Amino acid sequence: GAGVSQSPSNKVTEKGKDVELRCDPISGHTALYWYRQSLGQGLEFLIYFQGNSAPDKSGLPSDRFSAERTGGSVSTLTIQRTQQEDSAVYLCASSSASGANTGELFFGEGSRLTVL
Amino acid sequence: AQKITQTQPGMFVQEKEAVTLDCTYDTSDPSYGLFWYKQPSSGEMIFLIYQGSYDQQNATEGRYSLNFQKARKSANLVISASQLGDSAMYFCAMREVVRTGANSKLTFGKGITLSVRP
Repeated sequence: GAGVSQSPSNKVTEKGKDVELRCDPISGHTALYWYRQSLGQGLEFLIYFQGNSAPDKSGLPSDRFSAERTGGSVSTLTIQRTQQEDSAVYLCASSSASGANTGELFFGEGSRLTVL
Repeated sequence: AQKITQTQPGMFVQEKEAVTLDCTYDTSDPSYGLFWYKQPSSGEMIFLIYQGSYDQQNATEGRYSLNFQKARKSANLVISASQLGDSAMYFCAMREVVRTGANSKLTFGKGITLSVRP
């Protein structure tokens, strides 16, 4: 498809387990973002990748959270030793950096994580 | 300090009327971009409108317009002729340090829920 693809769409896990969430951005988009949205709340920035630059990890809430982006395309967000407060929808977005300051973000449909 | 402030409680508007959703922001950077996104109950994030800090005109996109008051650091979204399908959560967002060829992160406000009454 042409849009941002995220998987899984839903993940239920037990407290203490590790989870991996995947994001496949729009082809050619050099910027990739991860946000977290708790129920009824705003979007909390987690991490941002821009081309080959070092990622902006300033939003990661703890060292249990990590993300990588391989080959400048697909990204994986990993949460180790999940806690109940990690339950949220994890949104991935990508944007084109070429030229326009507009640089709107195109969002995926999110991965809903529930930690029991 | 919050970068983006959206403090209105849930907003209600009668179908076909106009509504203004408030957004104020805080930045010391002279170059920045302001965005509005819509999130219906389905959860998808839909880009509505963009305003650059140096743009002379207020941005407009169909029924959406952005009332940009730079000195007051406000970027209110105006929806004209409201439709039932406009019922959703609306987020204001800001990107600072906009450089040609590179983007930085968007910081989002907490959102405003809009309900359109028939």
